[in-house]
Amino acid sequence: EDQVTQSPEALRLQEGESSSLNCSYTVSGLRGLFWYRQDPGKGPEFLFTLYSAGEEKEKERLKATLTKKESFLHITAPKPEDSATYLCAVQGPLGNNDMRFGAGTRLTVKP
Amino acid sequence: NAGVTQTPKFRVLKTGQSMTLLCAQDMNHEYMYWYRQDPGMGLRLIHYSVGEGTTAKGEVPDGYNVSRLKKQNFLLGLESAAPSQTSVYFCASSIGLGGAQYFGPGTRLTVT
Repeated sequence: EDQVTQSPEALRLQEGESSSLNCSYTVSGLRGLFWYRQDPGKGPEFLFTLYSAGEEKEKERLKATLTKKESFLHITAPKPEDSATYLCAVQGPLGNNDMRFGAGTRLTVKP
Repeated sequence: NAGVTQTPKFRVLKTGQSMTLLCAQDMNHEYMYWYRQDPGMGLRLIHYSVGEGTTAKGEVPDGYNVSRLKKQNFLLGLESAAPSQTSVYFCASSIGLGGAQYFGPGTRLTVT
């Protein structure tokens, strides 16, 4: 069965303290891996899509990487406004109709 | 351009009551989805639509029905609400089958 596991569940960082979030997955026929950001009381907001092992995407202080079994979201010199829950989602062969979301990592960045 | 909107934002139902959640998108997307989000669990797909007039079951469809009479609207119905349906419901849309999904702000539903 397809599974997506995110770790840690929660992460507290000081402003400027870099770290990484992990998303490990098992899926037959990965079509794409997605990262979303979710602020409290709001819907998920799209960040990145990765399609093949070795691919990397960057946006401001965030960098996503992909291997055959996991993805990392690296956060460099985070700021308090980066505080949010980060969701990983794995897309199987059927596309968005075949999507599995992880439970998320709740990131808190203290000033 | 409002993106994806959902109505209502909050709702409290008694067991056995019915209600309809409305989702609207103004991005001309073909694909639309309904998810539920529960604490400690990932988003789970309830139903989806690949175009006007079409609907299909997702991972957790029991107790829900949907309709897509117009391309921009996707309705989620609960015919007889149960406490297990207490959750936050999100609607999403995408251009294509494999593209990023754009989510609405969510509806928090409590069934007592």
